[in-house]
Amino acid sequence: KAGVTQTPRYLIKTRGQQVTLSCSPISGHRSVSWYQQTPGQGLQFLFEYFSETQRNKGNFPGRFSGRQFSNSRSEMNVSTLELGDSALYLCASSLGGGGVDTEAFFGQGTRLTVV
Amino acid sequence: QKEVEQNSGPLSVPEGAIASLNCTYSDRGSQSFFWYRQYSGKSPELIMFIYSNGDKEDGRFTAQLNKASQYVSLLIRDSQPSDSATYLCALREYSGYALNFGKGTSLLVTP
Repeated sequence: KAGVTQTPRYLIKTRGQQVTLSCSPISGHRSVSWYQQTPGQGLQFLFEYFSETQRNKGNFPGRFSGRQFSNSRSEMNVSTLELGDSALYLCASSLGGGGVDTEAFFGQGTRLTVV
Repeated sequence: QKEVEQNSGPLSVPEGAIASLNCTYSDRGSQSFFWYRQYSGKSPELIMFIYSNGDKEDGRFTAQLNKASQYVSLLIRDSQPSDSATYLCALREYSGYALNFGKGTSLLVTP
């Protein structure tokens, strides 16, 4: 069974540019969550999608956005990139039912460097 | 802000010993608790989860949850050098779908 696939694995962008990251969840999983990981702040929740609807949003500026398609694949977009957006962006896949035993599995991440 | 606190470490244990990793949290509404392992440069890997008070065992790993005292712990028996990694504690609230992570404890198992 294939795991969570994130593309691309590495990106280098210039300040002011925008970037789009992609995540394909485990087959049958309908929930996709996005997290930002930095050395200083650790793993921070960005947003979560289920059946093409955003159910939860973390405390990030509006420059961070996302969407989910009917096949459960998800994209996140960061506009007007800042140096502080350099981070590992992780996508997590789960069934999405919200039960106490709902496990979330992470993809390999996209390492974004803003210069 | 709902806090998840972990000692950053490093926690150093000899090979074959029991490693004990602890996590405290501030939100009494938390529902489920997860332990992830993250090797340097890699993504987090789910070890196990727990949502009822008491112990839950899976191979060499035991998770312990005490909701009254608001802490969750992970015991690793017969620690191996390959267990050297950062261990992340995460919780999910009753009302949400997001995971709230601690900053992790670095574990070093020495041969």
